[in-house]
Amino acid sequence: AQSVAQPEDQVNVAEGNPLTVKCTYSVSGNPYLFWYVQYPNRGLQFLLKYITGDNLVKGSYGFEAEFNKSQTSFHLKKPSALVSDSALYFCAVRDGVEGGKLIFGQGTELSVKP
Amino acid sequence: DSGVTQTPKHLITATGQRVTLRCSPRSGDLSVYWYQQSLDQGLQFLIQYYNGEERAKGNILERFSAQQFPDLHSELNLSSLELGDSALYFCASSSTGTSLLNEQFFGPGTRLTVL
Repeated sequence: AQSVAQPEDQVNVAEGNPLTVKCTYSVSGNPYLFWYVQYPNRGLQFLLKYITGDNLVKGSYGFEAEFNKSQTSFHLKKPSALVSDSALYFCAVRDGVEGGKLIFGQGTELSVKP
Repeated sequence: DSGVTQTPKHLITATGQRVTLRCSPRSGDLSVYWYQQSLDQGLQFLIQYYNGEERAKGNILERFSAQQFPDLHSELNLSSLELGDSALYFCASSSTGTSLLNEQFFGPGTRLTVL
């Protein structure tokens, strides 16, 4: 069965420092991986996706993610964090067997302090 | 703004009651997905419709049902409500039903509180 794991419940970063939010996946077949962000009392917003091709994927708001097949990881990164990046981040994999539903990790709370 | 709308934003009801959550997908999107977000279960897929037909089912209780209408809007019906059904319910849409390449766009959610 497809699954993703986010090993950290919370990540704390100082503003201006680089940030990494970790995600590992387990899939049978090709991985279709996504990152979403959820701000308080809002829906999920799409950040970026990996389908195939370059292992470094660029997305919205200056975020990027690195796909590593050997380590089955898809970590979210940003070179310089902003206070406004503080939110809940979800990694997800698209299930190719059952209609394309998204299977989400448990989420990582990112806190960026000034 | 994702283009996906959900009503109502908040719903407070009592145990044993029945409620209907409504979702309008982005213009042109044929697929609608329903997800439940709760503190203990996280984000869980409930059910998917594609162009009016049920495509996939996830962890959806028998007390819950959904449908997609000819104008592509969808409704999630929750009946015999229990305290544990309190959660945030999201609808998402995407342009196709089978392509795995397309991202899903999420609505703002309906927060259901069962008292």
